[in-house]
Amino acid sequence: QLQLQESGPGLVKSSETLSLTCSVSSASISSNNFYWGWIRQPPGKGLEWIGTIYYSGNPYYNPSLKSRVTISVDTSKNQFSLKLNSVTAADTAVYYCARFVGGSPYDIWGRGTLVTVSS
Amino acid sequence: DVQMTQSPSTLSASVGGRVTITCRASQSVNRWLAWYQQKPGKAPELLIYKASGLHSGVPSRFSGSGSETEFTLTISSLQPDDFATYYCQQYYNYPFTFGQGTKLEI
Repeated sequence: QLQLQESGPGLVKSSETLSLTCSVSSASISSNNFYWGWIRQPPGKGLEWIGTIYYSGNPYYNPSLKSRVTISVDTSKNQFSLKLNSVTAADTAVYYCARFVGGSPYDIWGRGTLVTVSS
Repeated sequence: DVQMTQSPSTLSASVGGRVTITCRASQSVNRWLAWYQQKPGKAPELLIYKASGLHSGVPSRFSGSGSETEFTLTISSLQPDDFATYYCQQYYNYPFTFGQGTKLEI
């Protein structure tokens, strides 16, 4: 059963870079037609799509975050990563990694990790 | 970007009852619409894909319908475990977008 696990600092200082990794187990990140994404949820609020990547393709980003976000894949470690720079308190959220198969929605999610931006 | 609007934002119902949640898209998303259930402190779980497809393991009391810009999620014979927050999501084009959520309360 494919599983995803987010990891990274739970506390980031304002104006610095948030960095998270999602480890994929029981499947190859290079599997055909598997796409990998990041979604976040500020405390008490709804879901916001951050972006998606295919292991051999270019990532797609939310235009509202595009200038600050980078999503990348490390096939050697079977992981994908999120970097969000110049963070502010508004970036405090639970960050989820997730998978979808091409043509389908996100069917497998990590448990999420809370990242708090402090001043 | 495609804006997704859910209604209502909050819904009260009783065990054994039936509820319908509506999701409207600002432009056509064909049938590329998903529904998720989220419980406090947990990740969302996929219920419905492609507007009406029941995800594996999801009880048949959940059903979805609609196309283009208007979609509904219906839960019949509500169970205590169904009281949660529900989100719709379009995956017709990037950026993917979610509705604001509907909280189903007892």
